[in-house]
Amino acid sequence: QKEVEQDPGPLSVPEGAIVSLNCTYSNSAFQYFMWYRQYSRKGPELLMYTYSSGNKEDGRFTAQVDKSSKYISLFIRDSQPSDSATYLCAMSTIKRTYKYIFGTGTRLKVLA
Amino acid sequence: EPEVTQTPSHQVTQMGQEVILRCVPISNHLYFYWYRQILGQKVEFLVSFYNNEISEKSEIFDDQFSVERPDGSNFTLKIRSTKLEDSAMYFCASSGLPYEQYFGPGTRLTVT
Repeated sequence: QKEVEQDPGPLSVPEGAIVSLNCTYSNSAFQYFMWYRQYSRKGPELLMYTYSSGNKEDGRFTAQVDKSSKYISLFIRDSQPSDSATYLCAMSTIKRTYKYIFGTGTRLKVLA
Repeated sequence: EPEVTQTPSHQVTQMGQEVILRCVPISNHLYFYWYRQILGQKVEFLVSFYNNEISEKSEIFDDQFSVERPDGSNFTLKIRSTKLEDSAMYFCASSGLPYEQYFGPGTRLTVT
C-alpha cells in the first residue's frame, strides 16, 4: 500500500460548485497534514495545514482530517476558474525537521 | 510578501557534468529543504537542513548529491556527476516553523 494515495483526476466542475478533494494514508504516525496548490510548471503554493485531527477553515477553503479513518479532505466552496490547478496533499510526522510525503495530486478544472 | 527564489529557472547539462542549483530562502527562516518532481510524478523529498547540517535525507540523496549554505542567504544543491534520470524539477523550500514549508518556483534540470 502506498504511504499517501490521491486520485489524480482530472476533476471537472462548473463554476460555483463545491469541490471535494481527498487523500488517504497508511502511516498512523503522520501528524501534520498540508494542502498545496500547483499551477502547471510552477512551485507548490501552501494553502492550508492542519495538525492532528479536526477541521480548519480559511475563506472558501476547509481542510478536514479524520485520523481514525486515515483520510483527509479539502473542500473548496464557490469554486472559480482561477482555482483550476493541481491540488497536492502532503503529510509529515513530528521530527526536528519535517519530511513531507506527497500525494500524486488531483487535477481540478473549474469550467466558466 | 517574502518568497523563496531559485536560479536558474532552467539548466541543461550533459551527462557526467556537475551542476549547482541555487536557492535564496525566505530571510528569517531556519529550516531548508530540497525536493524534486520528475515530470508527471509526485513531489519527492531529497534532504532537510537545519543548524548548518543535514537533518534527514532520502535514499535518492546519495553520494552524488550535496547541500551547502555558503553564506547567510543562499542554499545550494550540487549534483556531482549528473545522470539522465536526474532530469526533473528541483524545488527548494524553507520554513520558520518546521512544518510550514514554502516552496520556490523550481529549477528544471535537463540532462542530455
